[in-house]
Amino acid sequence: GAVVSQHPSWVICKSGTSVKIECRSLDFQATTMFWYRQFPKQSLMLMATSNEGSKATYEQGVEKDKFLINHASLTLSTLTVTSAHPEDSSFYICSARAGASNEQFFGPGTRLTVL
Amino acid sequence: LAKTTQPISMDSYEGQEVNITCSHNNIATNDYITWYQQFPSQGPRFIIQGYKTKVTNEVASLFIPADRKSSTLSLPRVSLSDTAVYYCLVESGGAGSYQLTFGKGTKLSVIP
Repeated sequence: GAVVSQHPSWVICKSGTSVKIECRSLDFQATTMFWYRQFPKQSLMLMATSNEGSKATYEQGVEKDKFLINHASLTLSTLTVTSAHPEDSSFYICSARAGASNEQFFGPGTRLTVL
Repeated sequence: LAKTTQPISMDSYEGQEVNITCSHNNIATNDYITWYQQFPSQGPRFIIQGYKTKVTNEVASLFIPADRKSSTLSLPRVSLSDTAVYYCLVESGGAGSYQLTFGKGTKLSVIP
């Protein structure tokens, strides 16, 4: 149990285009989902926290107009990278938490490459 | 915001016990400590979580001293498949407001 999926697993796009990444909790209801970014050989950096039905809370330095997060249901959150640029190339990972649980279940990650 | 510090890398032979320590000097009263394992190009995998004293599960033990300013992940009898990056995470907050600070990770290399 407690499986989180991400789609796509990798994507290559041209500079200036927008890319949407989906994060789904397959067998539980995720009241809270988190989005992280990880650059090569670096740690995970929290980008934003989203709760179902409300606006996402972004970490300092993360542009909310560039990284659009939607958490429309208890099993789906989406991250849209708008007007992507090569510096947005990274490994994007989501995680989900159920109710009052302290445990995060991570997705497998999405590798974004912007040409 | 609780900052964490871990050794950058560790080497161990197969079958040995490995202890990885994480420092979190300004941990807050309500913060939990969680350890994750990450393989290249994969999402992190939960290993163990604790608040104080000792926690043990089927894969690891977590030791947290009384002052909670550090924690030690103990992996018994490591195998080659345990080669990965191990992250210490201090989690605080709730009700929609979280502070999640991952350490820089410890790259464990298990040698045959």
